[in-house]
Amino acid sequence: NAGVTQTPKFQVLKTGQSMTLQCAQDMNHEYMSWYRQDPGMGLRLIHYSVGAGITDQGEVPNGYNVSRSTTEDFPLRLLSAAPSQTSVYFCASSYEGGYYEQYFGPGTRLTVT
Amino acid sequence: GQQLNQSPQSMFIQEGEDVSMNCTSSSIFNTWLWYKQDPGEGPVLLIALYKAGELTSNGRLTAQFGITRKDSFLNISASIPSDVGIYFCAGQWGGKLIFGQGTELSVKP
Repeated sequence: NAGVTQTPKFQVLKTGQSMTLQCAQDMNHEYMSWYRQDPGMGLRLIHYSVGAGITDQGEVPNGYNVSRSTTEDFPLRLLSAAPSQTSVYFCASSYEGGYYEQYFGPGTRLTVT
Repeated sequence: GQQLNQSPQSMFIQEGEDVSMNCTSSSIFNTWLWYKQDPGEGPVLLIALYKAGELTSNGRLTAQFGITRKDSFLNISASIPSDVGIYFCAGQWGGKLIFGQGTELSVKP
């Protein structure tokens, strides 16, 4: 199993550009989540999904969109990047019955200039 | 919203020493989790606690779910250089995980 994979590992965007962060898991997990990590602030939940076709907002959803068309994939879209979105982004997944035992991907480091 | 206060923010210790860190909240959590993050990697789950008062060990790591359900602590015994990293507590509330700010651990050989 590859576990949770994320691409790209690094990305630099200009303000106003759009992009999609990719996340995939091969563990047949129902739950998937996106977090952002900023210095001194731990991890904050952006969006999450409890299964294909179902998504919901987390703590800091503004400026981000998600969709979940398959169990395996959960992409995160930035429609118009802003410098405040400079951060490290982590995708995570878990079994339906063990929602809180989340497995994390390696992260995407995003810089918006 | 829910907030977790994790302390200390950083620790510098000698190899072989024991380490203790904790998380507190003004609100009740149903589950407490402890994660470790190595540089450039995602967090990895160390210990999960599901009942108030529960004490759980994983090798040299021991964690407890506070009786009031508002706190948890993590102990690491006989630290080694590979213990270096950032340790996060996380509490479950309303189906979502809330993370503490992290404790950065440095171990001097």
